[in-house]
Amino acid sequence: SQTIHQWPATLVQPVGSPLSLECTVEGTSNPNLYWYRQAAGRGLQLLFYSVGIGQISSEVPQNLSASRPQDRQFILSSKKLLLSDSGFYLCAWSVPPYEQYFGPGTRLTVT
Amino acid sequence: GQQLNQSPQSMFIQEGEDVSMNCTSSSIFNTWLWYKQDPGEGPVLLIALYKAGELTSNGRLTAQFGITRKDSFLNISASIPSDVGIYFCAGLTNTGNQFYFGTGTSLTVIP
Repeated sequence: SQTIHQWPATLVQPVGSPLSLECTVEGTSNPNLYWYRQAAGRGLQLLFYSVGIGQISSEVPQNLSASRPQDRQFILSSKKLLLSDSGFYLCAWSVPPYEQYFGPGTRLTVT
Repeated sequence: GQQLNQSPQSMFIQEGEDVSMNCTSSSIFNTWLWYKQDPGEGPVLLIALYKAGELTSNGRLTAQFGITRKDSFLNISASIPSDVGIYFCAGLTNTGNQFYFGTGTSLTVIP
């Protein structure tokens, strides 16, 4: 069966520090991968999605970037965090017939 | 990006009552998904719908893919306290890999 992992589960970082969140999927090949941000428990905002290694689509201009170095690995990064980057970050995967499954999430607090 | 109109925004119901919520879009979707999210966790997929008019059940939950392909409905029968959470709909068009999400319905069940 397929599983999706995210780490860390929680993170507290100062403004201006770098960020790296990792997501890995097991039990499937060539999935579509997604990063979402959720503020205040409502509203999922799509940040990036990837249909293959090295292929990244950005939906929102921002302080963040994403990379997909391996088929089942998706990384969200920032060189310098802003206060507004705080939120709940969710990774997700999908394969045809396009059911999408979410990871457990990372709670990021920028201080 | 596009967000789906989901209503109601919140519901407060007595245990044992039935619940109905819906999602509408200006675009046609080929897939409708319904999720439940508990606080601090990632959304969990409840039901997936792939055909206009399709009616699918998962225990006490029933969802329908609207005939116009622009809406979907979720019903919960005989609610129980563990139904508490936020419910999201999501749609996928036939042209892309991006899922569009509803704004969420917050459900509170009063014992």
